[in-house]
Amino acid sequence: QKEVEQDPGPLSVPEGAIVSLNCTYSNSAFQYFMWYRQYSRKGPELLMYTYSSGNKEDGRFTAQVDKSSKYISLFIRDSQPSDSATYLCAMSVSLDTPLVFGKGTRLSVIA
Amino acid sequence: EAGVTQSPTHLIKTRGQQATLRCSPISGHTSVYWYQQALGLGLQFLLWYDEGEERNRGNFPPRFSGRQFPNYSSELNVNALELEDSALYLCAGSTGLNLISYEQYFGPGTRLTVT
Repeated sequence: QKEVEQDPGPLSVPEGAIVSLNCTYSNSAFQYFMWYRQYSRKGPELLMYTYSSGNKEDGRFTAQVDKSSKYISLFIRDSQPSDSATYLCAMSVSLDTPLVFGKGTRLSVIA
Repeated sequence: EAGVTQSPTHLIKTRGQQATLRCSPISGHTSVYWYQQALGLGLQFLLWYDEGEERNRGNFPPRFSGRQFPNYSSELNVNALELEDSALYLCAGSTGLNLISYEQYFGPGTRLTVT
């Protein structure tokens, strides 16, 4: 079993839909959780990060961490065509350990 | 402010050759991370340099090596290239001081093709 599992998609939704992206993980020592967005032919950019369990909201984006289920989610409200990208979850045990990435989910938002 | 730069954009090599990839982080960023993004495998951590020292290494063979220069730029060397080394190689920089500073700023990557 891989440490971090993420459905690669592709996921196609109409503009304005609520998008739910998820990752599961096996290492209960993970404490830091991040979501990156990667546009085609670009490097990933950090969208959101959380420490331990709970929710975090930033504009149209909400990140949730459920450590008891080893499950993290990213919700995108009022999705826009400009949200079309690959979304990668990433996590680490501590600030001194490398990030472990999911494979990424390709999202297409259709106008 | 200039972003993370990587060179070359594309690199084509044959099996057995050596490849050298270069990265310059954002000014003020002292940590450099290297990742391999192969098709279907996602980003895999390769190497982490901080203040000129190798801090951590991913599960890759020793023919993957690198260094960080006094100006914090970095070089990744891949010796004895194999076909499966074909991938996008991403470099990221950070200040490495706390969680927010551990935010990694990625470059656009170098596409390495081994034939």
